[in-house]
Amino acid sequence: DIQMTQSPASLSASLGETVTIECRASEDIYNGLAWYQQKPGKSPQLLIYNANSLHTGVPSRFSGSGSGTQYSLKINSLQSEDVASYFCQQYYDYPFTFGSGTKLEIK
Amino acid sequence: QVTLKESGPGMLQPSKTLSLTCSFSGFSLSTSGMVVSWIRQPSGKSLEWLAAIDWDGDKYYNPSLKSRLTVSKDTSNTQVFLKITSVDTADTATYYCARSNWFAYWGQGTLVTVSS
Repeated sequence: DIQMTQSPASLSASLGETVTIECRASEDIYNGLAWYQQKPGKSPQLLIYNANSLHTGVPSRFSGSGSGTQYSLKINSLQSEDVASYFCQQYYDYPFTFGSGTKLEIK
Repeated sequence: QVTLKESGPGMLQPSKTLSLTCSFSGFSLSTSGMVVSWIRQPSGKSLEWLAAIDWDGDKYYNPSLKSRLTVSKDTSNTQVFLKITSVDTADTATYYCARSNWFAYWGQGTLVTVSS
C-alpha cells in the first residue's frame, strides 16, 4: 500500500494569512493526488485533483502543487469559512489511501 | 445532477454482517470509466477507503479488510452494495459512498454503530 504522510496535524493561523499543508507519499504517485475539505458533521468536499487542478466552484485562493512523492495545498488569504479539516488522498494505485488530516483553526 | 445516498442498519451487534446500500442518480455505473467506492470514517479520525466496483464489474478491495468485504452492484446500475462480515466495535464509523477516482461526489454518509 502507498502510505500518505500528512503534516502538520493541526494549524492555527490569522485571517488573511497564507497556510500550507504537506503530503508525502511513500512512492511516486505521478500526480494522482486529491485534496479535500471537511467541516464537522459534513461529507468531505473535493478541492483539488490531479495534484494541481482546481475543482469546479472552489475559490481560487486554494491551490495545489507538487510532483513525485511531495505535494502541498496552499490556502491564500485565509477566511473564517476555511476552518475545517483537510485530507490528501492518492488514487494512483489501489488501495486508495488518505493522509491523517490537518485541522485548521483561526488564531 | 449527481447524487449519492447511503443507507444502513444504524446499529448492529458484534459478529453480525453489515449490509450497506448506495443509491445514486445522475450517472450510470454502466458508463465506461465509472467507479463507485466505499469509504469510512470513525468519529474524529481520518478516512479509510474500503472497496470499489467499476462499470465493467471489476472489484477492488482494501487488503487489510479484504476477507470480510464484498462489493456488488445491481443490474440497473443505480445501486452499489457493501457487505462486511464479522463486525466488531472497530467497525463503528460513518460510511460513505463516492464516485471515484478522485471523489467529486459523496453521499451524506450513514452512521453505523457496532455495540452489544
